[in-house]
Amino acid sequence: QKEVEQDPGPLSVPEGAIVSLNCTYSNSAFQYFMWYRQYSRKGPELLMYTYSSGNKEDGRFTAQVDKSSKYISLFIRDSQPSDSATYLCAISLGGADGLTFGKGTHLIIQP
Amino acid sequence: ETGVTQSPTHLIKTRGQQVTLRCSSQSGHNTVSWYQQALGQGPQFIFQYYREEENGRGNFPPRFSGLQFPNYSSELNVNALELDDSALYLCASSLLGRGQETQYFGPGTRLLVL
Repeated sequence: QKEVEQDPGPLSVPEGAIVSLNCTYSNSAFQYFMWYRQYSRKGPELLMYTYSSGNKEDGRFTAQVDKSSKYISLFIRDSQPSDSATYLCAISLGGADGLTFGKGTHLIIQP
Repeated sequence: ETGVTQSPTHLIKTRGQQVTLRCSSQSGHNTVSWYQQALGQGPQFIFQYYREEENGRGNFPPRFSGLQFPNYSSELNVNALELDDSALYLCASSLLGRGQETQYFGPGTRLLVL
């Protein structure tokens, strides 16, 4: 079992829809949870950062962490064509552990 | 605030050669991490440098090595290149002791090994 599982998609939704992206992980010791957005042939861009369980909201983006289920989610409201990208979840134990990434979900927002 | 920069943007090498990739940290950051991203995959952690020493390492062989300089810039060196080393190499910087886990990535160097 991989440490982080993420459906690679592609996930195609119409403009304006609410998008739900998810990851599951296996090691309950993970404490730090992040979502990155990566456009084609570019470096990942940090979208959301959460420590431990709970919700965090930033504009149209909401990140949720459920440590009891080892499940993390990213919601995008009022999706725009410019949101079309690959979304990567990343988790970390902290310290010098380095980030462990999912494969990424390829999201397509149709105008 | 200056972001993370990497050079070169693209590179083509042949199997068995050696390559050096360079990274400049974001202003105010003191930690640099390197990742390898194969096509269609998430980035894989190679190693991290703090205070000019390797601070953590992923599952990569010793032919992957690095340096961090006093100005917090960094190099990734790969010896005896193999075809499977073809990938996007990403550098990320962070501030140890204050949200170290929040890493900011550069645009990457795309390496092709023939």
